[in-house]
This record gives sequence, C-alpha cells and structure tokens, in this order.
Amino acid sequence: DAGVIQSPRHEVTEMGQEVTLRCKPISGHDYLFWYRQTMMRGLELLIYFNNNVPIDDSGMPEDRFSAKMPNASFSTLKIQPSEPRDSAVYFCASGSEVKTQYFGPGTRLLVL
Amino acid sequence: GNSVTQMEGPVTLSEEAFLTINCTYTATGYPSLFWYVQYPGEGLQLLLKATKADDKGSNKGFEATYRKETTSFHLEKGSVQVSDSAVYFCALNNAGNMLTFGGGTRLMVKP
Repeated sequence: DAGVIQSPRHEVTEMGQEVTLRCKPISGHDYLFWYRQTMMRGLELLIYFNNNVPIDDSGMPEDRFSAKMPNASFSTLKIQPSEPRDSAVYFCASGSEVKTQYFGPGTRLLVL
Repeated sequence: GNSVTQMEGPVTLSEEAFLTINCTYTATGYPSLFWYVQYPGEGLQLLLKATKADDKGSNKGFEATYRKETTSFHLEKGSVQVSDSAVYFCALNNAGNMLTFGGGTRLMVKP
C-alpha cells in the first residue's frame, strides 16, 4: 500500500486566500484524522471521521476551518480566509481503529 | 482527563550512548501506551506499543515497559545511532478515546 497520501506537500499563500489540503487514506481504514503541528502548541487533533462521518470537530480552531470526507478515499481540509497564524504542518492520519494511526507526510503551510 | 508528560528536549547524545526518554501519564482505568517517532520532514510513525501493565513494547532496538505503579512508559535504547535523530512522542489511548500525545522530545545523535 502507498500509505496515507497528502497534497500539496508545501503551500505558500497570502493572507485572505483560500487554502485546500487534500488527503487520501489507506484503503480499508475506517477512521481519518486531521492534525496540526506547530512549535508553540505541538500536535493538535482538529477533527476526525469514522466511515466518512465527522465524529468530533471540537479541535477545529474556528469557523474559517472546515473539513469534508465525501467518500472513503478522499478528505479535504479547507481554510477560508487564511491568516498568518494558520502557518503550520497539517497531518492527515488514517486507521482501522482509533488507537493505531498511520500518518501521512504532512502539508507545510505558510501564510504570508 | 488524560494527559501525557515527556521530558523536554533536546536530548543530545553521542553515537552508541544509552538513551532514556521519560514519559509519565495520567489516566483513569487501563490505557494503552505508545511511542511514535517523527523523522525530519515526515509524519509520525508508530514505534512500539504496550496494552497492559508490565507489557514491554520493542522495535528497532527501542524498548519501553508499561509501569502502572509509577504511571510511566520510558523509552530506552542501549546504543543510539545518528539515524535515530528524530522527535519522539509518547501517547496514550483510553477506552477507545482519541490518542493523547505528549509534547514530543527531540533527540540529536552526534557521530
């Protein structure tokens, strides 16, 4: 299996622009997670899905952030409008159970 | 609630030195415990795990023993290599809830 695939790997954008991050989970995994990693706050869980349904989005910072999972093989995390404080590495992870998660390589986002 | 506390880094060692990275946790019941490793520019990878008290997880020369009496899961390796340089995260899972991660400990191994 190719593992969790994320795109793009790097994104540089200007404040106010819309940013869309993409994730393809490992085939057969029922759970999908979005994390954000920064030096200041470490690794934060933003939202997770089970069988394409959002289960817990309490970690989503604010209404500017939204996530969707239209099918079992694709998820997006959207930031609109983006702000400099959103600069971070965003990870997608998938798993067949909550406690064993396989992480993608991450998307490094820089908002100028 | 659940929480994980790790020693602050960076930990800097010479090649072939002995490694210990401390991890303690707070949780009710009997959580499962994990160590994840993040190499530069990559996502986290599961390194080892233990699901009950006194279990020892091991992988790639790393070991950690689940100590319920001290609520600890310290990571050890007898002889580190330069290629072990990475950030190590301790984590727990309690009763099917989300993984709770520690803050991470950066290890730097010098040749």
